[in-house]
Formats: sequence, C-alpha cells, structure tokens
Amino acid sequence: AQSVTQLDSQVPVFEEAPVELRCNYSSSVSVYLFWYVQYPNQGLQLLLKYLSGSTLVKGINGFEAEFNKSQTSFHLRKPSVHISDTAEYFCAVSGATNKLIFGTGTLLAVQP
Amino acid sequence: EPEVTQTPSHQVTQMGQEVILRCVPISNHLYFYWYRQILGQKVEFLVSFYNNEISEKSEIFDDQFSVERPDGSNFTLKIRSTKLEDSAMYFCASSGPGRHEQFFGPGTRLTVL
Repeated sequence: AQSVTQLDSQVPVFEEAPVELRCNYSSSVSVYLFWYVQYPNQGLQLLLKYLSGSTLVKGINGFEAEFNKSQTSFHLRKPSVHISDTAEYFCAVSGATNKLIFGTGTLLAVQP
Repeated sequence: EPEVTQTPSHQVTQMGQEVILRCVPISNHLYFYWYRQILGQKVEFLVSFYNNEISEKSEIFDDQFSVERPDGSNFTLKIRSTKLEDSAMYFCASSGPGRHEQFFGPGTRLTVL
C-alpha cells in the first residue's frame, strides 16, 4: 500500500527566507508524485508533479521539488518566500491506479 | 483556462436526508474523481470513474454513496442517507488522457445537522 508522510504540520518562516517542506512516501511500485497548494477557502491547485525523467521538477510560483528514490522523498523548496505563499501544502502520490494518496498537509506561515 | 466547477459551494442538510453534489469536469477529460476532506484532516480518495463505470472506490465509499454521469457534462455524487460524520469538504477532480494530473474543483462544504 502507498502512503505519504509530511512530518511538519506547520512551518513558520520570514518573508524572503528560503523554505523546504518535507515529504516522504512509501510504495512498492513506481510512483508519481505531486504537490498541491490550498489557499484559505479554496480548492486544491497543482504546484508541480514528477512523472518520470529529470528528478528536479519546477512548478508554478517559483517552487521546485526533487525526487529522491533512494530516500523515498519529494521535498518542496522555494529560495525566497512571499506573504502570498501562506497556504496549506499537500504532498500526494499515485501509482498504477489514478487515485491520489495525500499527506496530512503542511501549513506554510510566512511572516513579515 | 478551463476549470472544474462544483455546485453548491455549501450544502446544509438534516441527518438522514439525501444530498446530491454536482460537478462539471473539464470538457475533454475522461477520468473523474471524488475526494473528501473532513475538517482538520487530510484529503481522502472516495471513488474514480471512467467510461461510465466506477474504476476504483475506497472503503469509505459504501452503499450510501453513488456516482453518476447523467449527461455529457455533469458528474454527481449522491449520499442517500446522510450521517453526521459525512460533514466534510467534497472535492471533484478530473484528468485527461494522460490520467496522472488531476485538476480539482473548489469543493462543496457539506454540513450535516
């Protein structure tokens, strides 16, 4: 069975500082990995995805993530955050079937 | 840019009542999904639908739930007899021929009293 672990429930960071949101997964088959962002009272928006190929993937709003198969990780990074990046971030995995398995989410709280 | 839409945005119902949540997926998409998010918890898969039939469902998706694509544009989730624990945000999603990238709607907040 597949699962996703987001160890950090909340990450406070100052504006213009770098941030890393951690995601680890477990799966016995090939995986596809995703990061979604949820702004307050809104739906889920896809930030970036890893399907195959280069392990470093770039997404919207300056975010990037690196797929590390040996460490079963897919951490999300941004070199300089803005107040507007304050949101809940969800890591998700899918495999042979299309269903997405989500982590518990990380609240990124950007402070001025 | 095409997007998934959902109606209503908020539904309040009494326990035991039937509710139908509606979704309009992106027009050329072939795969449709429902997920739910209980307040403060993670997003959970309910069901996937392809070629007019359920392709996969979770253990949450019991006999009280059903899905339907009644016409060429709508995709609905019906809960026959709502329980208090059905209170959650329900998200519809769709994906195209590539399958793996799912686009989510804004959600319907269901409150069961």
